[in-house]
Amino acid sequence: AQKITQTQPGMFVQEKEAVTLDCTYDTSDPSYGLFWYKQPSSGEMIFLIYQGSYDQQNATEGRYSLNFQKARKSANLVISASQLGDSAMYFCAMRGEFGNEKLTFGTGTRLTIIP
Amino acid sequence: DAGVTQSPTHLIKTRGQQVTLRCSPKSGHDTVSWYQQALGQGPQFIFQYYEEEERQRGNFPDRFSGHQFPNYSSELNVNALLLGDSALYLCASSFFGPGSTDTQYFGPGTRLTVL
Repeated sequence: AQKITQTQPGMFVQEKEAVTLDCTYDTSDPSYGLFWYKQPSSGEMIFLIYQGSYDQQNATEGRYSLNFQKARKSANLVISASQLGDSAMYFCAMRGEFGNEKLTFGTGTRLTIIP
Repeated sequence: DAGVTQSPTHLIKTRGQQVTLRCSPKSGHDTVSWYQQALGQGPQFIFQYYEEEERQRGNFPDRFSGHQFPNYSSELNVNALLLGDSALYLCASSFFGPGSTDTQYFGPGTRLTVL
């Protein structure tokens, strides 16, 4: 069984500052994938970034980077130079080793960017 | 390139009725997964379809059923609706193949209200 834990229900960050959203996971699978999604108030789940468990380097996508610490089972999302449009719910998710498997989601973090 | 589309956007039903939700995957994708997201929670996996067969299933009763068509589009059917079925239903598509990260891309969702 897989489990995702997001311990920050909500965060307030000043515009243009960097923000780190925490995610820890638990799995017995030898390989797995970790994902971050953004969900604005409209409801659509937007894919942000992916990290494979055997990837040697931390994933980056524009202003998003994933701080992957395998030994600690953590996969924190870092957003640099936050913008007002970053205000949304953020979900960490993982899939198991066989690929194309179901995603297990955390409870999410609501990020609010303050002008 | 069209993304994942879902219809209808909103739906209001009464207890005991039946509902059908529809999803068209992103171009080039062959796998469709369905998720239920209750208010304030992360999405919960319902089931996944690949090659017109149910490949995986989450912890949902048999009232929830689905179908995948030869063009990879999919339907989610819910019978004997309960008040607790009120939620945002998200469809996600992905490509199952070598070299793929199996990233799931989501549609805008169907918001179902059961009265």
